[in-house]
Amino acid sequence: DIQLTQSPSFLSASVGDRVTITCRASQDISSYFAWYQQKPGKAPKLLIYAASTLQSGVPSRFSGSGSGIEFTLTISSLQPEDFATYYCQQLNSFPLFGQGTRLEIK
Amino acid sequence: QVQLQESGPGLVKPSETLSLTCSVSGASISSYYWSWIRQPPGKGLECIGYINDNGSPNYNPSLKSRVTILVDTSKNQFSLKLSSVTTADTAVYYCARARLRTTVKGGFEIWGQGTKVTASS
Repeated sequence: DIQLTQSPSFLSASVGDRVTITCRASQDISSYFAWYQQKPGKAPKLLIYAASTLQSGVPSRFSGSGSGIEFTLTISSLQPEDFATYYCQQLNSFPLFGQGTRLEIK
Repeated sequence: QVQLQESGPGLVKPSETLSLTCSVSGASISSYYWSWIRQPPGKGLECIGYINDNGSPNYNPSLKSRVTILVDTSKNQFSLKLSSVTTADTAVYYCARARLRTTVKGGFEIWGQGTKVTASS
């Protein structure tokens, strides 16, 4: 079974900061990988698919990279609306989410 | 635009069966893959399973013995049944649509608002 390890689990940052979240898979999952943003009480929102393709309507300050076993989500300049929880997801086999990264305002 | 709406009881007794329905509006349920995903209180996301109107469902191995997902094309709905529930099944249950028509490998693009289900006597 594929395992996903997402880090960090908690991140404190300021508006304007550049932040990076990482997910590591236990085996090669090619580029079948996605990132989601979830705000309290809301459904997750797809941000990035195929590891690096920005979903329509998502601001360009979000970017994804990686393939194989290591993937990153970068937010280039944090905006107030970006403080949320972020989840990675591998889709090479049965869909599996990472544990989540809670991004809070410093 | 496409919208998904979960419905079903908010309270289920332990050992009983949880039953939820996802109603799809703005598009036909034919084609695309449709999924159930849950989130226990304060925890992360877990994919329960997914299905399309042509193929067999695919279930999370950890839940496979208790899960049934079906599509009803006449009602433009799909459903979830989870048997023998315990308190560990307490969660917000989301229905979602895959981004691509023929595979879930592109992620899940459209989500319902979620429905909270509590397993308690």
